[in-house]
Amino acid sequence: DAKTTQPTSMDCAEGRAANLPCNHSTISGNEYVYWYRQIHSQGPQYIIHGLKNNETNEMASLIITEDRKSSTLILPHATLRDTAVYYCIVRSNAGGTSYGKLTFGQGTILTVHP
Amino acid sequence: NAGVTQTPKFQVLKTGQSMTLQCAQDMNHNSMYWYRQDPGMGLRLIYYSASEGTTDKGEVPNGYNVSRLNKREFSLRLESAAPSQTSVYFCASSVDRGASSFFGQGTRLTVV
Repeated sequence: DAKTTQPTSMDCAEGRAANLPCNHSTISGNEYVYWYRQIHSQGPQYIIHGLKNNETNEMASLIITEDRKSSTLILPHATLRDTAVYYCIVRSNAGGTSYGKLTFGQGTILTVHP
Repeated sequence: NAGVTQTPKFQVLKTGQSMTLQCAQDMNHNSMYWYRQDPGMGLRLIYYSASEGTTDKGEVPNGYNVSRLNKREFSLRLESAAPSQTSVYFCASSVDRGASSFFGQGTRLTVV
């Protein structure tokens, strides 16, 4: 499985954009980048995923570099309820050792301040 | 639409006791998963079921057994609980192995 590297923690002011980086330099061609978050004591929540193009949904935007070795999750207007641990995961959606498996690392603790 | 439902939410066991954690999903998903999460760590995959009738080991299967009872239900059994199995257990499901997973709210298990 491709490994990911994320900062241990980040802070963000409420109303500002939160930009969470992730390095995945060993990602293979058939592996997607997934983002999940886990709010205290709850089950992880899917946020967004992408292969090589930038993606946007109602929760966030995902920017993947052209070489696919890193990505950034953007929460455009962070709120206090966005305080959570954010996990960047790479996995295959069709075959390979990472097929169907979510391998969670330590994640980034995002704290949104008033 | 409840999504993924886990029971019980909390459980205390004595060493050597057995128990089954229940998981049910109402989204007609084919794939289901069991994870455990220890303090300060990410989730680790215990077992998964890619489709009804199949189960496979994940990263940390020792000490556990699973049953895919039908398409909706996937149970996790601890035959002889050990203190090392104290953890929070999460069940998840997805349309298929390649799709995004939806998680339950967890079962907090303490083995004393």
